[in-house]
Amino acid sequence: QQQVKQSPQSLIVQKGGISIINCAYENTAFDYFPWYQQFPGKGPALLIAIRPDVSEKKEGRFTISFNKSAKQFSLHIMDSQPGDSATYFCAAASGGYQKVTFGIGTKLQVIP
Amino acid sequence: GAVVSQHPSWVICKSGTSVKIECRSLDFQATTMFWYRQFPKQSLMLMATSNEGSKATYEQGVEKDKFLINHASLTLSTLTVTSAHPEDSSFYICSASRPGSDEQYFGPGTRLTVT
Repeated sequence: QQQVKQSPQSLIVQKGGISIINCAYENTAFDYFPWYQQFPGKGPALLIAIRPDVSEKKEGRFTISFNKSAKQFSLHIMDSQPGDSATYFCAAASGGYQKVTFGIGTKLQVIP
Repeated sequence: GAVVSQHPSWVICKSGTSVKIECRSLDFQATTMFWYRQFPKQSLMLMATSNEGSKATYEQGVEKDKFLINHASLTLSTLTVTSAHPEDSSFYICSASRPGSDEQYFGPGTRLTVT
């Protein structure tokens, strides 16, 4: 059972454009939703995270939108740059955030 | 702060041998460490959770006798792949958490190739 569904699996965006990645979850016990960025051959790094008591969180060019009633959340990357080309994972956790469930990942390619 | 290292970064071993991967939290004490494996172009799958001084908790379907985890100190956890087979070839990633933090800090990963 895939507890965190992520789409699209791959995404090509022009430089300066907006990259949007969507995720949906099923387990209402989840209460922490991080996004990770992973470059080839490297471990994932936390990009931004949100809790369900807010509907949006922005850090620089990265914004998470959260819809608790729909059990959906998304990552928006504004003014996408070639250096943003990486694989992005949404994730969800509960109960002290000790156990993180990852989405399948989205490979983003930003073309000049 | 919150740096996690792994050693080695890559390893090649022959089928039937065992290989040990180390995970260290360099600048904090990790109450809990996690081990994941990641196949090419796939997501991270949690293998086990380990707390210092106690036995690891393995996820369903993960053979605890094959993937031995030792969390001997608050800064070191090891994963030993015993009697490795080619299907064990994968990218193994550890992470660590510390008290009072929501975040898991991930290591850079270890690429294991079994020939």
